[in-house]
Amino acid sequence: VQLVESGGRLVQPGGSLRLSCAASGFTLSNFWMHWVRQAPGKGLVWVARMNNYGSITTYADSVKGRFTMSRDNTKNTLSLQMNGLTVEDTAVYYCTRGMGDNWGQGSLVTVSS
Amino acid sequence: DVVMTQSPLSLPVTLGQPASISCRSGQSLLHTDGSTYLNWFHQRPGQSPRRLIYKVSNRDSGVPDRFSGSGSGTDFTLKITKVEAEDVGVYYCMQGTHWPYTFGQGTKLEIK
Repeated sequence: VQLVESGGRLVQPGGSLRLSCAASGFTLSNFWMHWVRQAPGKGLVWVARMNNYGSITTYADSVKGRFTMSRDNTKNTLSLQMNGLTVEDTAVYYCTRGMGDNWGQGSLVTVSS
Repeated sequence: DVVMTQSPLSLPVTLGQPASISCRSGQSLLHTDGSTYLNWFHQRPGQSPRRLIYKVSNRDSGVPDRFSGSGSGTDFTLKITKVEAEDVGVYYCMQGTHWPYTFGQGTKLEIK
């Protein structure tokens, strides 16, 4: 099982960014998938989750209306579209399988002017 | 949101000695499906979290048997029988019964 995030970078407040997560070593359609973030030096925060086929998606209140999670089971990828970024969104973003049984290495998003 | 409260937040332990971390939730973690979704994670500096225990007491694959989880309802405990050097880092409890899933603040284990 491998999860590899990409797309993190420095972005200005109010900007947008799309993170991707490439999954391998398992059948993506068998699992709920999630995004979790960790601000520098802080704890873990669950951001979003999506069911196996993308028909159910739920978000933390802090990102609702700004972030959109999607998945393509045929391409074994997840995405997190992040709009209206603020400095409070600065964090390492992890994609994780199921209820955290496997994690990627994380992708750092820095929101700063 | 369900508040998860861990104690202690700092845990200095002598190698070979036992360690215990408590986690309390603001409401019962018993799901309507009968399961209790309380997990424990370990995060070493600069690394991704690794799940150790799922549904209160089930060890993940490859997790040494010196780790054990117990509890029910709102009170849970992670125990390490004999701490080894590789056990340093931050331990988090996490509830997956109520959305949004929430983590405890983390307990930093260090070697004395």
